[in-house]
Amino acid sequence: AQSVAQPEDQVNVAEGNPLTVKCTYSVSGNPYLFWYVQYPNRGLQFLLKYITGDNLVKGSYGFEAEFNKSQTSFHLKKPSALVSDSALYFCAVSGTNAGNNRKLIWGLGTSLAVNP
Amino acid sequence: IAGITQAPTSQILAAGRRMTLRCTQDMRHNAMYWYRQDLGLGLRLIHYSNTAGTTGKGEVPDGYSVSRANTDDFPLTLASAVPSQTSVYFCASSARQGGSYNEQFFGPGTRLTVL
Repeated sequence: AQSVAQPEDQVNVAEGNPLTVKCTYSVSGNPYLFWYVQYPNRGLQFLLKYITGDNLVKGSYGFEAEFNKSQTSFHLKKPSALVSDSALYFCAVSGTNAGNNRKLIWGLGTSLAVNP
Repeated sequence: IAGITQAPTSQILAAGRRMTLRCTQDMRHNAMYWYRQDLGLGLRLIHYSNTAGTTGKGEVPDGYSVSRANTDDFPLTLASAVPSQTSVYFCASSARQGGSYNEQFFGPGTRLTVL
């Protein structure tokens, strides 16, 4: 079965420190991978995606993610965390099977708290 | 400003009542989606539409129906609300059908409480 795992329910980091939010996946074929962020009482916002090419993807607000095919991971990173980065982060993956009903598979989310 | 609007923002509803959640996008996206978000369960797809005139069932479709009469609108109807449908509902759209390489854009959500 295809799945996405975000192994940490919560991540706590100090402001200015690097942050990592983990995501691993299990899908057939070559996946499309996405990260979204959700601020309190808001809808999800797209951060970045990996489709093909360079394994290191850069996105909004200084975030980046590295696609690692051998480890089936797509961890979200930022070199220096801000208090304003505190939010809920979702990883999502789409398999590339042929057909009309390919839909995103969502992780359960990781709550990031950046402490001043 | 282009985007997705949802209405109402929040609603308290008596069990057994009928309710329609509205969703409108002005980005001319082909695909639209309805999700519910529940604590500990993440986002679950209720229904989707790859293009105007077509709809499909997602992961948790029971008790919900949708229609897609045109590109812009994708209403979600609860025919007879039950307390287990208490949730936050998000509408989303993307430039192509589900599962493609295009990201989804989300509305602000509707917080629904069924008593």
